[in-house]
Amino acid sequence: NAGVTQTPKFRILKIGQSMTLQCAQDMNHNYMYWYRQDPGMGLKLIYYSVGAGITDKGEVPNGYNVSRSTTEDFPLRLELAAPSQTSVYFCASSYLRTSSTDTQYFGPGTRLTVL
Amino acid sequence: AQSVTQLDSQVPVFEEAPVELRCNYSSSVSVYLFWYVQYPNQGLQLLLKYLSGSTLVKGINGFEAEFNKSQTSFHLRKPSVHISDTAEYFCAVRTISGNTPLVFGKGTRLSVIA
Repeated sequence: NAGVTQTPKFRILKIGQSMTLQCAQDMNHNYMYWYRQDPGMGLKLIYYSVGAGITDKGEVPNGYNVSRSTTEDFPLRLELAAPSQTSVYFCASSYLRTSSTDTQYFGPGTRLTVL
Repeated sequence: AQSVTQLDSQVPVFEEAPVELRCNYSSSVSVYLFWYVQYPNQGLQLLLKYLSGSTLVKGINGFEAEFNKSQTSFHLRKPSVHISDTAEYFCAVRTISGNTPLVFGKGTRLSVIA
């Protein structure tokens, strides 16, 4: 299994540009998550999904959109990039059958810079 | 709502010395507790978790953590650190009931000095 994969690894955007961060998992996990990590701030949840067709906002959803059309994929869309979106983005997934089985597996991250 | 406080943002320690990384949480309901580790330029990986039972939990790479309900703490310890333990460590909580996402602390950067 490849686990959780993210593309691209690095990206530089200009203010106002749009892009999609890709995330895929091959573990048949029902839950998927998007986080952003800023220095000294830990991880903040942007959006999450409990299954195909179902998404919900996290702590910092403004400026982002998500969709979940398949179990495997959970892309994150930035419509109008702003410097405040400069961050490292992590995708994660977990298989939640009961609360005790919920271990999140993380991708390697995408480092995004908005200039 | 739940919250996590990691009391030290940076912890320098000499190789082969013991280390303790502190984590306190706040929650009005029962929670599960986790420690994740992030090595440089990598994603996070699970170090250990407390679900129920014994309050002393053993994880990978010789780490252990102790759940203290009265002090709402879940401190991480290792009796002898190695250079390879240099990383950022995150404490996280989630509620037992319901399907709520993890809430992470801000992280503690452990630097092991030769």
